[in-house]
Amino acid sequence: DIQMTQSPSTLSASVGDRVTITCRASQSISSWLAWYQQKPGKAPNLLIYKASSLESGVPSRFSGSGSGTEFTLTISSLQPDDFATYYCQQYNSGWTFGQGTKVEIK
Amino acid sequence: QVQLVESGGGVVQPGRSLRLSCAASGFTFSSYGLHWVRQGPGKGLEWVAIISNDGSNKFYGDAVKGRFTISRDNSKNTLYLQMNSLRAEDTAVYYCAKDKDSMRNPDYWGQGTLVTVSS
Repeated sequence: DIQMTQSPSTLSASVGDRVTITCRASQSISSWLAWYQQKPGKAPNLLIYKASSLESGVPSRFSGSGSGTEFTLTISSLQPDDFATYYCQQYNSGWTFGQGTKVEIK
Repeated sequence: QVQLVESGGGVVQPGRSLRLSCAASGFTFSSYGLHWVRQGPGKGLEWVAIISNDGSNKFYGDAVKGRFTISRDNSKNTLYLQMNSLRAEDTAVYYCAKDKDSMRNPDYWGQGTLVTVSS
């Protein structure tokens, strides 16, 4: 089974900061990776699919990169609405989520 | 717009069964695969199962394999999850989600239904 490891688990940042979250796969998943944002009590929201494709309606400050085993989600300028938990998910072999990264106010 | 509405959650004793439903609208139901994903209290997301658009292919996470069954009724635009031999660790919010394309990743999600397994 493919394991997904996100880092950091928690990230403290300020509005306007550039934020980067990393997701590592235990084996190559090509570009079959998605990123989700989840706020407390709400369903996840798809941000990025196929590692770097921006989902329709998602602000352009969100971007994804990487292939193989290492991936990043970048928020170019953190906005108040972006404080949330972020999950990566691989879908190359089965379907597996990372453990999540909570972005909190510094 | 795409809408997914889960139902059927509740409190159930360990070892008993429960069936969840997910009513879909706003897209051509029979053209897309569908997922179930769960989230335990205070925990992260855990993928549970997927079914292809025509119901011919089904895959399960290791934690539920042999106990849960995913199915769909394309005439009713409804997805199901039959959960048998429930355990305390199955306690979670269960989300249904539409697959974006060709059994890849979910795109649209329902709001979830809470299943609590407790004596």
